[in-house]
Amino acid sequence: EAGVAQSPRYKIIEKRQSVAFWCNPISGHATLYWYQQILGQGPKLLIQFQNNGVVDDSQLPKDRFSAERLKGVDSTLKIQPAKLEDSAVYLCASSLSWMAEAFFGQGTRLTVV
Amino acid sequence: KQEVTQIPAALSVPEGENLVLNCSFTDSAIYNLQWFRQDPGKGLTSLLLIQSSQREQTSGRLNASLDKSSGRSTLYIAASQPGDSATYLCAVRRVEGANSKLTFGKGITLSVRP
Repeated sequence: EAGVAQSPRYKIIEKRQSVAFWCNPISGHATLYWYQQILGQGPKLLIQFQNNGVVDDSQLPKDRFSAERLKGVDSTLKIQPAKLEDSAVYLCASSLSWMAEAFFGQGTRLTVV
Repeated sequence: KQEVTQIPAALSVPEGENLVLNCSFTDSAIYNLQWFRQDPGKGLTSLLLIQSSQREQTSGRLNASLDKSSGRSTLYIAASQPGDSATYLCAVRRVEGANSKLTFGKGITLSVRP
């Protein structure tokens, strides 16, 4: 069974530029999560989708971050414009349902200079 | 608000030692608890999932226990090996309305010395 796929693996951008990350969850998984992990910290939930609907985006900085999950499968997370403090690993995860075991992708390491 | 604490932040042990990693959480009304492993520069690998009605789960040399009433979980690693060196994170899932939230601790970085 294929795992959660994320791309790119690494990205370096200058502050005020924009960037987008892509996630393909495990087939059949209804719930998709985007987490931000700053070095030395645990992952922090940015947004959670149930199929193609948002169920929790309370910690998403909506002035600069946006995410979508068209057709309830793939998802993209965008940052525009990026700030230095956005440097982190962005993790995508999926689960069969909101109560099931979560599986994570390899993450995208973003460096903003 | 659920808070998850993992202490100490780092641990170094000699190879072959049995060890226990601790996780505590403030709100005992959890749905389940999951232990993850994270290697440097990698994503999270799920190790064990314990439902709130369970007391423990085992997988190979790993055993996770859950005491929901006291807000604690432990991950027991038997006969540690250098390959076990990684960061171990626990995450608790709490039901919130028609949804749930998975909250992570900061992790314990384990180093197993040959």
